[in-house]
Amino acid sequence: DAEITQSPRHKITETGRQVTLACHQTWNHNNMFWYRQDLGHGLRLIHYSYGVQDTNKGEVSDGYSVSRSNTEDLPLTLESAASSQTSVYFCASSAVAGAQGTQYFGPGTRLTVL
Amino acid sequence: SQQGEEDPQALSIQEGENATMNCSYKTSINNLQWYRQNSGRGLVHLILIRSNEREKHSGRLRVTLDTSKKSSSLLITASRAADTASYFCATDAKMDSSYKLIFGSGTRLLVRP
Repeated sequence: DAEITQSPRHKITETGRQVTLACHQTWNHNNMFWYRQDLGHGLRLIHYSYGVQDTNKGEVSDGYSVSRSNTEDLPLTLESAASSQTSVYFCASSAVAGAQGTQYFGPGTRLTVL
Repeated sequence: SQQGEEDPQALSIQEGENATMNCSYKTSINNLQWYRQNSGRGLVHLILIRSNEREKHSGRLRVTLDTSKKSSSLLITASRAADTASYFCATDAKMDSSYKLIFGSGTRLLVRP
C-alpha cells in the first residue's frame, strides 16, 4: 500500500542547531506540503512543492527551507532552530495541486527546541 | 490567518448519540474538506464537498454546505468510542496567486462508552 512516512518521529535539539526532518511518500504524487501544528492554530502551511525542483513558501516559511530533488522526498530544514519552532510537523502529499484534492498526511514529527 | 473556524471547540457525547460540528469561513470557496485526527496521528481525509453541492454523505457522516452563510456542518450519526478524535475543516483560500488549503483549529470530540 502507498504511504507517507516521516522521520524522526520525535526530536529534541538545541537553539541554533540545524535540523532536517524527512518526508517520504510512495503515492507518486507530484504535490507535497509541510505544515506545523500548534495549539490554538490548527495546521499552518510552511512550504510546498508541485514537482521536482519546484519549491514555494507558505504562510509561515521564515526560518525553514525545503528542497525537492525527486518525486518521493521533501525534506524540511530548520536552518537555525529557535524555541518558537517547537511544534508538531506534518508532511502531506496530494495528486492534485493547490487545494482541490485530498491530502494524505504522514504521522508527524514532534520537535522540541531547548 | 485562519479561513475556517470550528464550533464547538470541544464536544462530549454518549456512545450512540449524534455529534454535530460546525465550520464557518470568511471568503468564498471552491470546496471544503473535513479531516479527522486521532491523538498522536496525522490527519485523515473524511469528505470533500464542492461549492455547488449542498449535502454529501459517506457512511455515518453527513456534511452540509451553505455558501450563503459561509458555513458547513459535519454530522456523525450513531457515534462510537472509536470516533473520539479531533475534527478539522479545511477550505481553499487564495494565497500568492494560487489556492492553498487552510485549516481551522478543530473540534475535539469525546465519545463516552
